[in-house]
Amino acid sequence: KAGVTQTPRYLIKTRGQQVTLSCSPISGHRSVSWYQQTPGQGLQFLFEYFSETQRNKGNFPGRFSGRQFSNSRSEMNVSTLELGDSALYLCASSLQQYNEQFFGPGTRLTVL
Amino acid sequence: AQKVTQAQTEISVVEKEDVTLDCVYETRDTTYYLFWYKQPPSGELVFLIRRNSFDEQNEISGRYSWNFQKSTSSFNFTITASQVVDSAVYFCALSEAIAGGGNKLTFGTGTQLKVEL
Repeated sequence: KAGVTQTPRYLIKTRGQQVTLSCSPISGHRSVSWYQQTPGQGLQFLFEYFSETQRNKGNFPGRFSGRQFSNSRSEMNVSTLELGDSALYLCASSLQQYNEQFFGPGTRLTVL
Repeated sequence: AQKVTQAQTEISVVEKEDVTLDCVYETRDTTYYLFWYKQPPSGELVFLIRRNSFDEQNEISGRYSWNFQKSTSSFNFTITASQVVDSAVYFCALSEAIAGGGNKLTFGTGTQLKVEL
């Protein structure tokens, strides 16, 4: 079974721009979660989508948004990028709630 | 609020030594789930184990073992006879039973394990 895939793997943007990251979960997994990893804040939960609905949300500003499609693929969008948004963005999928989450390789975003 | 503490920032051992990574958690829920993940230099988080709050049995998987003690709110991870390939950052994580369901992991800050020859 193919694992979680994320595109692109690397991205360089400038302040003020917006960016869209994509995640394809493991086949059959309907829950997709997003996490941000930075050296200063560690791993932080952004949000989770299940059956095209946002089920949980972390403490991030409204510039961070996401959506899920009917095939469970998910995208997250960050608008008006700030330098502090530079991070590794990890996507994870899960078969059911409270089950183990399987992570993708991440998208490394650099904001200049 | 839930919290996970990994007090050991970095541990260095020589190959074949045993090493224990500590994890202490805080939660008000009686139902919760604990996890360990490994993050090698490539960056991808690799799932190692999941344990629910009602199952305090220790678990062994090859060279890996986990000790779950609710009395001390700890979920420690031991690697026996460490190998260079074990070098990575290890994260402990907690998931509470959220009203309405869902998956939300709260991670500790991680422990960088370096295994040298």
